[in-house]
Amino acid sequence: NAGVTQTPKFQVLKTGQSMTLQCAQDMNHNSMYWYRQDPGMGLRLIYYSASEGTTDKGEVPNGYNVSRLNKREFSLRLESAAPSQTSVYFCASYYWRLAGGPEMDTQYFGPGTRLTVL
Amino acid sequence: DQQVKQNSPSLSVQEGRISILNCDYTNSMFDYFLWYKKYPAEGPTFLISISSIKDKNEDGRFTVFLNKSAKHLSLHIVPSQPGDSAVYFCASHSGNTGKLIFGQGTTLQVKP
Repeated sequence: NAGVTQTPKFQVLKTGQSMTLQCAQDMNHNSMYWYRQDPGMGLRLIYYSASEGTTDKGEVPNGYNVSRLNKREFSLRLESAAPSQTSVYFCASYYWRLAGGPEMDTQYFGPGTRLTVL
Repeated sequence: DQQVKQNSPSLSVQEGRISILNCDYTNSMFDYFLWYKKYPAEGPTFLISISSIKDKNEDGRFTVFLNKSAKHLSLHIVPSQPGDSAVYFCASHSGNTGKLIFGQGTTLQVKP
């Protein structure tokens, strides 16, 4: 099992450019998440997909869009990158019983994408 | 409004001693709490969790304590080892979608 994979690992963009961060998981998890990590801010949720076919905004969704392509893949798109979007982006997956309560205590994060917007 | 707070940005302890990392939360509806460990250039990895119906959960050298009346949880590492040096995030669960709200993180340094 590869777990959660993210591509690319590093990216440098110019202001106004667009790009898509890719995430895939092979654990058959139903929920997937995109976070950004900034110094002193912890991890903040950008968007999430509680199950295939659904997406919802998190704490900091402005400037981003997402697509839950299938159960395995969840992509994050920056349509017009801004320097404020310079950050490390993490994708995560989680098996969550929608009826309530986690099925298991295991949440998996990808290795991250370090994005710099000039 | 920061719903989960880790007020100590850093902590330094000697190898073999106890490390205590603290976390406070504001929302009494949070029902599940987790601790993650993060090494540089890697994603966070799950460490230990606790349900709000418990006040203690132990896994080897790691114990998490929950004080619901104070809205406070702590992670104890005994004995601390140099390999424990990392950033530790506490997180609380919100709602029924698996969303997590993270604290700012505490950088633990364990000195040999």
